[in-house]
Amino acid sequence: EGQLVESGGGLVEPGRSLKLSCAASGFTFSNYVMDWVRQAPKKGLEWVASISTGGGNTYYPDSVKGRFTISRDNAKSTLYLQMNSLRSEDTATYYCAAVKTGFDYWGQGVMVTVSS
Amino acid sequence: DIVMTQGVLPNPVPSGESASITCRSSKSLVYKDGKTYLNWFLQRPGQSPQLLTYWMSTRASGVSDRFSGSGSGTYFTLKISRVRAEDAGVYYCQQVREYPLTFGSGTKLEIK
Repeated sequence: EGQLVESGGGLVEPGRSLKLSCAASGFTFSNYVMDWVRQAPKKGLEWVASISTGGGNTYYPDSVKGRFTISRDNAKSTLYLQMNSLRSEDTATYYCAAVKTGFDYWGQGVMVTVSS
Repeated sequence: DIVMTQGVLPNPVPSGESASITCRSSKSLVYKDGKTYLNWFLQRPGQSPQLLTYWMSTRASGVSDRFSGSGSGTYFTLKISRVRAEDAGVYYCQQVREYPLTFGSGTKLEIK
């Protein structure tokens, strides 16, 4: 059974940066497209980023494009999300997810709070 | 962007009854391979989302056959038969037909 564990969250001031990590185990990481999905407090789910199996293709919604960068290290079975120029509206729980047929595996989530 | 619109349930639903959750997309989710790229998730309180179905009607591994997905290219239904207390939570549909991927706003299911 696949497992994903996020880390790197915390409290950060507006305009600053933060990098999230997601460690994968229990499945062949390099065979899965990987995604980040976030959920603001008491709100619904919002897709944040996707990366292809080899890392050559990345996708973002307009809300984070140019500020967030998704990357992966298949040798380490780890996914990353570099978040720059953070805004208060980026405050959310961030989940990483592994995608084969659907969003098959999800992490437990990591909280990011953007506030002065 | 494809907009996903979910319906509301007449909560609470009595245990043992059936519940149907609806989802509509602003564009057809049928791809040229013939598959319909629509996922359903359940998020129980305090937990991460859990994949229920993909390709509109294929149940994910380990998911009870009480959950069944159906629909057309733009209108979808997740039916839950014989609801149980453990089915309570928020259900989300998601289109993965094209980027940006988008979710519905969620449908809350309460069990009586």
